[in-house]
Amino acid sequence: AQTVTQSQPEMSVQEAETVTLSCTYDTSESNYYLFWYKQPPSRQMILVIRQEAYKQQNATENRFSVNFQKAAKSFSLKISDSQLGDTAMYFCAFIGRGDEKLTFGTGTRLTIIP
Amino acid sequence: DTGVSQNPRHKITKRGQNVTFRCDPISEHNRLYWYRQTLGQGPEFLTYFQNEAQLEKSRLLSDRFSAERPKGSFSTLEIQRTEQGDSAMYLCTTGGTGGSYTFGSGTRLTVV
Repeated sequence: AQTVTQSQPEMSVQEAETVTLSCTYDTSESNYYLFWYKQPPSRQMILVIRQEAYKQQNATENRFSVNFQKAAKSFSLKISDSQLGDTAMYFCAFIGRGDEKLTFGTGTRLTIIP
Repeated sequence: DTGVSQNPRHKITKRGQNVTFRCDPISEHNRLYWYRQTLGQGPEFLTYFQNEAQLEKSRLLSDRFSAERPKGSFSTLEIQRTEQGDSAMYLCTTGGTGGSYTFGSGTRLTVV
């Protein structure tokens, strides 16, 4: 069974600064996908970024980028030039290729301070 | 616009009552999933459908839970004889393996 661990329950950062959220996972699979999802207060969960394990290049989406270390089973999210709208719960998630179940971490509550 | 509509948004019910939630994907998707999210936790998988067939159920889905997707479009999740431990956010999502998952806004259930 896969596990996803987010060791930072809460983080806060000043607006415009850069912040990194940590995620580690455990799996015996070699082909899988990793995700970061954002859940703003009282709003639906949305996909921030997706990484395919067989791709060595780190995924980027505008201000969001990941540091994917497959050997270390680490998948951190970096948010550059943070904005007030980035305030949310952030969940790291894993799914094995061919599997149907997302496994989520417990989340990191990120607060951007004006 | 989330792409997945869930109703109701909130439901308060007395312990022992039955409740039913509905999930309506705006566009056609073969696969539809239900997750449960308790306070301070990430979502946990409950069950999924491919078209109208329910293909996998989690151990979390006790006998009091039943889910249907009669025409391969919308889906319902029913909880019978609700217990306080059922209080959670119930999330519906569509998508495929390795693809983008579109979540609904969820139904927040409070059992009193």
